[in-house]
Amino acid sequence: EVQLVQSGAEVKKPGESLKISCTASGYSFPTYWIAWVRQMPGKGLEWMGIISPADSDTKYSPSFQGQVTISADKSISTAYLQWSGLQASDTAMYYCARLRDVVVVVSASSGAFDVWGQGTTVTVSS
Amino acid sequence: DIQMTQSPSSLSASVGDRVTITCRASQSISRYVNWYQQKPGKAPKLLVYAASSLQSGVPSRFSGSGSGTDFTLTISNLQPEDFATYYCQQSFNTPWTFGQGTKVEIK
Repeated sequence: EVQLVQSGAEVKKPGESLKISCTASGYSFPTYWIAWVRQMPGKGLEWMGIISPADSDTKYSPSFQGQVTISADKSISTAYLQWSGLQASDTAMYYCARLRDVVVVVSASSGAFDVWGQGTTVTVSS
Repeated sequence: DIQMTQSPSSLSASVGDRVTITCRASQSISRYVNWYQQKPGKAPKLLVYAASSLQSGVPSRFSGSGSGTDFTLTISNLQPEDFATYYCQQSFNTPWTFGQGTKVEIK
């Protein structure tokens, strides 16, 4: 079964660092780009960025560039999303999602996400 | 950034109804639109990609259409399990952006 399994819920204080994970199984991890999507409480979906696990080529939304770091370790089929200094406004659910198409460049894809992780809740509060 | 505006924001419908959700892009995006369904506490699920291609395993009562700036998701013969929030997403240009969502509720 193709699946993405995310790390568990986190409760952090402002200023702390955090790295959450997304582990793939059931398919060739390097072959498919992995994206991260934020959903703030009661709100819609926001695309944060995307990484190619094959070569770690990464593209960020300007809204998140410099605020988070996306990385991947293909040896353990895992993608990561990390913060160096959390803020209360980072409180949200974070999803990883697999790009449906096998492409070298994301601009050649449909941009559709066919497999999603279960989500990781991040709560930042003093 | 390309803005995606969905309408309506919410609607009430009955089992068996035909429901249409509209998504308008702030510029022409060819057919680079995808549609997702999200139920409370769950991850989104891909329904339609490239404006009108049905994702594998998705019931045929879901269909998508449109090109350029105007797109629709239609659910024919609404079923109890279809009550959820639906999002469109453009993938024409990064940053890829989503509509604000349309909540389909039971009348």
